[in-house]
Amino acid sequence: DQQVKQNSPSLSVQEGRISILNCDYTNSMFDYFLWYKKYPAEGPTFLISISSIKDKNEDGRFTVFLNKSAKHLSLHIVPSQPGDSAVYFCVGDVNEKLTFGTGTRLTIIP
Amino acid sequence: DTEVTQTPKHLVMGMTNKKSLKCEQHMGHRAMYWYKQKAKKPPELMFVYSYEKLSINESVPSRFSPECPNSSLLNLHLHALQPEDSALYLCASSQAYLQGNYGYTFGSGTRLTVV
Repeated sequence: DQQVKQNSPSLSVQEGRISILNCDYTNSMFDYFLWYKKYPAEGPTFLISISSIKDKNEDGRFTVFLNKSAKHLSLHIVPSQPGDSAVYFCVGDVNEKLTFGTGTRLTIIP
Repeated sequence: DTEVTQTPKHLVMGMTNKKSLKCEQHMGHRAMYWYKQKAKKPPELMFVYSYEKLSINESVPSRFSPECPNSSLLNLHLHALQPEDSALYLCASSQAYLQGNYGYTFGSGTRLTVV
């Protein structure tokens, strides 16, 4: 049972444009959602989180939107930069047990 | 120091060997975690330690034995592993367990191959 789903395995975006990564979840008990970025041969790096009682959180170029009724969240990166090319994991957190999605590989095209 | 350090980076072991993975952090984090990531799959939680005590064991086989000797160090002792245990083992830490979400810091992982 995949509780956190990222249905797009890959995404290519032009540099300077907006990248939108989507995530759906089935477990309504998640109390936080997090986004992690992962480069090859490195561990995941924390990007941004959102509490389940909020609908938006913004940090610099990164904004996460949460739609609880649709059990959907998205990560917006604007403007996209070449260094943003990585695999992005959507993560659900209940009692600090993290459940990772399968990841979306984002490629920023110069 | 804002890192989680894992050693070794790569490990090849036979099915009869005993080996240990090590994870260290000096950020004062009181919760530490082991995750296992198989190829092309997301990381999956194995163990959670909070204040040096085991809080969660996700039904992990006994051939994996975690140990938290102090608040900065987390070990994973391996014995009689199977080839299907080959994976990337990730260690993570967070400020505290069950006290709000501060994000987690992950190490770079140990790439384990069982032959």
